[in-house]
Amino acid sequence: GAGVSQSPRYKVAKRGQDVALRCDPISGHVSLFWYQQALGQGPEFLTYFQNEAQLDKSGLPSDRFFAERPEGSVSTLKIQRTQQEDSAVYLCASSHPPDTQYFGPGTRLTVL
Amino acid sequence: DQQVKQNSPSLSVQEGRISILNCDYTNSMFDYFLWYKKYPAEGPTFLISISSIKDKNEDGRFTVFLNKSAKHLSLHIVPSQPGDSAVYFCAAKETSYDKVIFGPGTSLSVIP
Repeated sequence: GAGVSQSPRYKVAKRGQDVALRCDPISGHVSLFWYQQALGQGPEFLTYFQNEAQLDKSGLPSDRFFAERPEGSVSTLKIQRTQQEDSAVYLCASSHPPDTQYFGPGTRLTVL
Repeated sequence: DQQVKQNSPSLSVQEGRISILNCDYTNSMFDYFLWYKKYPAEGPTFLISISSIKDKNEDGRFTVFLNKSAKHLSLHIVPSQPGDSAVYFCAAKETSYDKVIFGPGTSLSVIP
């Protein structure tokens, strides 16, 4: 399994619930990205790590969104007090610069 | 404001013919451009890229053309095959930075 994996693949949450989405990047990849993809749209940048350092979190839509990559490998995107507008596919990608990004299959989050 | 635009949400082409997907960008700092292909329930996969020092890059049936003065690029697929049916995302970045900006995508249908 050499690709980027994400879990869970599907998540249904009640409004107000906290969720945690996991990303396992390709082994050895330094950079890790999180994107949010709404229906009919392209992936929108959320945040970016180089090893364990979060270099850019300008795309996080609110302070309810938090991402971490404590050991420079696996990353978790946490959304607190989920709202209906958080419903989207959350994509993770990894790369070893200057190579291109490899995407995981995404986690489809539905907030009821 | 959308920095990468794909003004055709969908495109239908007969098998064997040429598919031309268009993309426009607004940020003159972008100097590296990528095309990704996405099947349903999968993450985007890298297809082809071009640096701003070139105006054409070819890989098998896929060719990307870049017109820097017009801030326009296009992806040509010749000949189109039914397996090419997917959503195609145009993306752009600055070489010095890993953050990638995606367009909204064009859904291509290749009709047998």
